Order: sequence, then C-alpha cells, then structure tokens
Amino acid sequence: QVQLVQSGAEVKKPGASVKVSCKVSGYPLPELSIHWVRQAPGKGLEWMGGFDPKDEETIYAQKFQGRVTITEDTATDTAYMELRSLRTEDTAVYYCASDAGASGYDLTYWGQGSLVTVSS
Amino acid sequence: SYVLTQPPSVSVAPGKTASITCGGNNIGSKSVHWYQQKPGQAPVVVIYYDTDRPSGIPERFSGSNSGNTATLTITRVEAGDEADYFCHVWDRSDHAMVFGGGTKLTVL
Repeated sequence: QVQLVQSGAEVKKPGASVKVSCKVSGYPLPELSIHWVRQAPGKGLEWMGGFDPKDEETIYAQKFQGRVTITEDTATDTAYMELRSLRTEDTAVYYCASDAGASGYDLTYWGQGSLVTVSS
Repeated sequence: SYVLTQPPSVSVAPGKTASITCGGNNIGSKSVHWYQQKPGQAPVVVIYYDTDRPSGIPERFSGSNSGNTATLTITRVEAGDEADYFCHVWDRSDHAMVFGGGTKLTVL
C-alpha cells in the first residue's frame, strides 16, 4: 500500500518561496507518477504539475510555469514541490498525489496535505 | 484549455439515488476519475477509469462515461456520503490534468 506523508504547515511572507516535501513508502518512487494539487480555502482542486509517465517528463500547469519546480530524490523516496514569488492568493492546502503504479493518470493515493499561509 | 462542468450542489434523501454529472467536450473519449472529499480531509478516489471501483469503496458507487457527460451514481445514499465530489481527467492535447469545479452532495 502506497503512503504519502507530507511536511508540516508553513507561514510565508509575500515574495518568499516554499518547498513542500512528500515522503513515499510502500512502493518505489521511480515507479510512481507524483502530482501536486492545491486547494484554496473553500475552493476546488487545482492541478499544479507532475510526472507524465507516457512522455517520461515533469510537466507543469500553464498557470504556474516559471514559478513552480517539482523534483524527486530517489535516494530518500521523497518528492518536492517548490513555489516561488508567493502571493497572498497562494494560501492553500497543497497535496501530493500518485497513481496506482501502473503508469496511469489516476490519483489513487494522496498525502494528508500541507497548509501554506502567505501573509504579511 | 479543457473545461469540466459539474453542478455546484445535489441534494438527495437517504436511501435514494444520487447522480452527479461532469460535462466536457467529448469526455467519453477520455478516462474519468471521481474523488470524494469530506471537510478537513484529503480527497479519496471512489471511481477511476470511468467505471472501476477501488477496493474498499462500496458497490453503491458506480460510474459511466459517454458522449459529453460522465456520471457518478450513488445508490441507497447514506448520511456518510455527504461530501464534495470532484471529477478529473487527463487532457492529452493540453498535457494537463483538469478537475471539475466540484459538487456538494447534501443528504436531506
């Protein structure tokens, strides 16, 4: 069973950067497609980017291009999402999620979420 | 960019059937996944690849997908089914994941 455990809540000032981690257990990270999804307070789910298993590359939502970087450390089975130039509207719960390990585009497993608050 | 449209809310009496739709241009050609999210919790997949149900999800949950509409159906609705439900697809032409706006299911 895949488990995704995320880092804790963060408070940042506008203009700063945040890096959220997602520790994977129960399955080799290289065999999963990890994606990052955020949810602003009271709003819906918004995809930020992740690994495309068919093209074998990390892709980003156009909205976040140039401001977000998704990386993986296979030595520690940990995925990371860094968001730069934070704005107050980036206040949200950030989730990592993965497919079921069959190179699909489902999001079967989810982390518990990491609250990022951007405030001056 | 590809757009998925869900009704903001659906209400149903206990024991009845709830249908939550997800509209998109030719969505029948894509694989649709459905997630249930309760307050303060991470989403949980209840249907993936249009009709498949993950282990642990009751048989009361089913999905269909054809033409321009995908549907999540919940039979014999229980109070514990009250939650937000989101549909989700991979849009290959845009190389992007897309979520519907979500539907709040209220059990009367």
